[in-house]
Amino acid sequence: DTAVSQTPKYLVTQMGNDKSIKCEQNLGHDTMYWYKQDSKKFLKIMFSYNNKELIINETVPNRFSPKSPDKAHLNLHINSLELGDSAVYFCASSPPMLVAGSNEQFFGPGTRLTVL
Amino acid sequence: RKEVEQDPGPFNVPEGATVAFNCTYSNSASQSFFWYRQDCRKEPKLLMSVYSSGNEDGRFTAQLNRASQYISLLIRDSKLSDSATYLCVVNSARWGSQGNLIFGKGTKLSVKP
Repeated sequence: DTAVSQTPKYLVTQMGNDKSIKCEQNLGHDTMYWYKQDSKKFLKIMFSYNNKELIINETVPNRFSPKSPDKAHLNLHINSLELGDSAVYFCASSPPMLVAGSNEQFFGPGTRLTVL
Repeated sequence: RKEVEQDPGPFNVPEGATVAFNCTYSNSASQSFFWYRQDCRKEPKLLMSVYSSGNEDGRFTAQLNRASQYISLLIRDSKLSDSATYLCVVNSARWGSQGNLIFGKGTKLSVKP
């Protein structure tokens, strides 16, 4: 059974389009995240939601809008796609933090977005 | 200074070699430390947490030096299957809050037969 799943796995689209990436976790975790890994392989957090509420919003263009309909889902919608948005986007989830910062994050398989 | 810095490598080693990776972090308030492993075109996965007293998991040993803000990973008797990128990760969470993970750019290891 897949713990953290993302769809689609690959997304090729034209500049200016709007697209969404979906993420679901069946681990019962309260917190979910979106990360971006660029061509230089640098993995950086974009957003974090805890039980459907936004708790981390890094410096990300407002063309990116996360939506959490319930705590098992965190979708990422991107408006007006630009060439620089091409990257691999990873969703992740983590259980409640019992000891500060000690919880593991479980990553989805990634969505490879290519903007032409 | 970058928040988490690692030597990007690549480290090319023969099977059976011992290899060490180093990492430094800039935020002295950081509380938790990890090594993640990422295979080519795959997602990162937790390899091990790093504790102040140092910890070992089979062939892997992690060390933390808070005074120097330095983390290390030692791999003994390296296997072909150890070939991957090793990510140094720091969590700046305060107690009871979900902090974010800050990833280093990773150190690429290639183990050759």
